Formats: sequence, C-alpha cells, structure tokens
Amino acid sequence: DAGITQSPRHKVTETGTPVTLRCHQTENHRYMYWYRQDPGHGLRLIHYSYGVKDTDKGEVSDGYSVSRSKTEDFLLTLESATSSQTSVYFCAISEYRDGQPQHFGDGTRLSIL
Amino acid sequence: AQTVTQSQPEMSVQEAETVTLSCTYDTSESDYYLFWYKQPPSRQMILVIRQEAYKQQNATENRFSVNFQKAAKSFSLKISDSQLGDAAMYFCAYRSPSNTGTASKLTFGTGTRLQVTL
Repeated sequence: DAGITQSPRHKVTETGTPVTLRCHQTENHRYMYWYRQDPGHGLRLIHYSYGVKDTDKGEVSDGYSVSRSKTEDFLLTLESATSSQTSVYFCAISEYRDGQPQHFGDGTRLSIL
Repeated sequence: AQTVTQSQPEMSVQEAETVTLSCTYDTSESDYYLFWYKQPPSRQMILVIRQEAYKQQNATENRFSVNFQKAAKSFSLKISDSQLGDAAMYFCAYRSPSNTGTASKLTFGTGTRLQVTL
C-alpha cells in the first residue's frame, strides 16, 4: 500500500472555526491532491500541488486553502468552516509519469455543526 | 472540460455471476487514461484496473476486465465470478496526460453501488 496518512480520521467542529487537515506521504511523489466526497457527486477536486510551494485550484476550491512546504506534507485549511463543508476528505498522491494512478489515503470524515 | 457519467446508481449481482458496470465520458483529447476504483464500506479507494487510450487491447486484472470503446467514449467494467467481497461503490475516473498542464487530475463519475447477493 502507498504510504499515505491522513489526520485526523474524524473531526467534529462548529461553524466558524478554522480546521486543518493533514496529508503525509512517504513515497516522495511529486503530485498531491485534496478531494471531497459527497453523495451524488463522487469525488471532486478541491486543490492540488505539483511541487513544494506549487499549488493550484480544483473545481470546488471556494472556502479552502492549501499549503505544501515539504514534499511529504500537504495541508488543507478551512479558514472558517461552514456546514456545507461537512464531507469526507481524501488526499491522493501520484508520480509524474504518464498513466500512473493516484493512490488515496483513508479519508477524513469532517462534520461541521 | 472532461465529464464522466455513470448512469447506474445501483446494481445487484448474484454470487458467482457476471455483472457489467457502465461508464461513459466526454473529452476532446485523443490521449488519456481511464481507471476504475473500488470503495468498500471501509472507505478506502482501491485501484481496480486502468486503461491507456492509445492501447486497443482491453485491460484485464484477474476477474476484472474492461470493454473500452474509444469511438463511443465508453469504458465499462466487467466483474466475473462475483464474490461477496466485491460489494462496494465503484467509481470510473478519467485522467489527462501529464504533459497537458493539468497535473494529471482525476475526474470522477458519481459511482455505482454494487450489491452481491447469495
């Protein structure tokens, strides 16, 4: 299994509080991604990174920010959480080679009350 | 933008039988990659099979195979000899080549929930 660790695995918090989710990899892969999974939508890309300090937006980036100060860590921050951000969040990694699949972490279930 | 459509929200198959899950996609690119991922109740996303668009031969992985029809933009997954452990959500996904500047992002379908009955 690809070495991807997401933390925390579960979190419950209140509307308006800041939340940071962490993704840590031991594979030294260049690309890292954050997705959210909601019923009826599959997985949708929030942000991605193509190198240290190199990030870009995905299709559902509003209300989220990311940072990547080291190859192995990719942080997702909700500056002021809203109930619409209740979801399961997945981190994924991939190598910079055509055809290589993305490997996923085990997900973080985030509930915002 | 690429889109991926899975038109079957739920499917059911009896143990030891064969089932086919449908996936269609829309793209203007000629070179790309397609994947099927399995998500059991444990929530893990597990790669099942992948297909390169430039390869005419359909990919196979043990009991899993695909029917890739490039002209029709169709990528169905066939599961043979279904087992109870195959019960899961299955997602079809599309990926552009790495040189297109899109960081090889995945576009997912909405998933098909597969039930396996005795």
